[in-house]
Amino acid sequence: QSVLTQPPSVSGAPGQSVTISCTGSSSNIGAGYDVHWYQQLPGTAPKVLIYRNINRPSGVPDRFSGSKSGTSASLAITGLQAEDESDYYCQSFDSSLTAWVFGGGTKLTVL
Amino acid sequence: EVQLLESGGALGQPGGSLRLSCAASGFTFSSSDMGWVRQPPGKGLEWVAAISSNGGHIYYGDSVKGRFTISRDNSKNTLYLQINSLRAEDTAIFFCARMMRMAGPGSHYFDYWGQGTPVTVSS
Repeated sequence: QSVLTQPPSVSGAPGQSVTISCTGSSSNIGAGYDVHWYQQLPGTAPKVLIYRNINRPSGVPDRFSGSKSGTSASLAITGLQAEDESDYYCQSFDSSLTAWVFGGGTKLTVL
Repeated sequence: EVQLLESGGALGQPGGSLRLSCAASGFTFSSSDMGWVRQPPGKGLEWVAAISSNGGHIYYGDSVKGRFTISRDNSKNTLYLQINSLRAEDTAIFFCARMMRMAGPGSHYFDYWGQGTPVTVSS
């Protein structure tokens, strides 16, 4: 059971938009700790997609955006493309555990 | 170009030990906080351990406390993870990653990752 909760899977057709949620608690996201998002293509290492809630590293398309409110955060992907099919993970810090924590991951399927 | 190259992953027996290494290049290793993240087959990511740039602060996930030891040699630009008392549930790909801190404590994210080294625990 992950400290951060994500839906196991989401799907959308090419060109559509999807949102992946990440729900935490008062000891992590709700305590003000930043949320970061990673994309992991099959057989590869994770790659940071969004850092500090809303920031995109250079090279990440602006089709990817992040938001945070209260004890939750979200990753939005617009204009879905086949290459977006991947696993996505949120990550934050938990002060009760003194631990960096990941969500369980969400598999995005592009129909 | 930032590179993180893990090595040392192997087939280990329950109760045995392994030492993983991560050779870093392309950035100032001695100024960077570092960490290990593992991923069991078909499962999600789990943070395992973290160490500050000078080694003065070390943190472990609850599932590995007392069995894993993270360390670093800044003169060799190398990060280590000593794994003792191997268990079947330690079977995973182990990634080393640079931990970028943008604000206060706990604000780290993992901005560069190695390709991972596989650890399999089986008799």
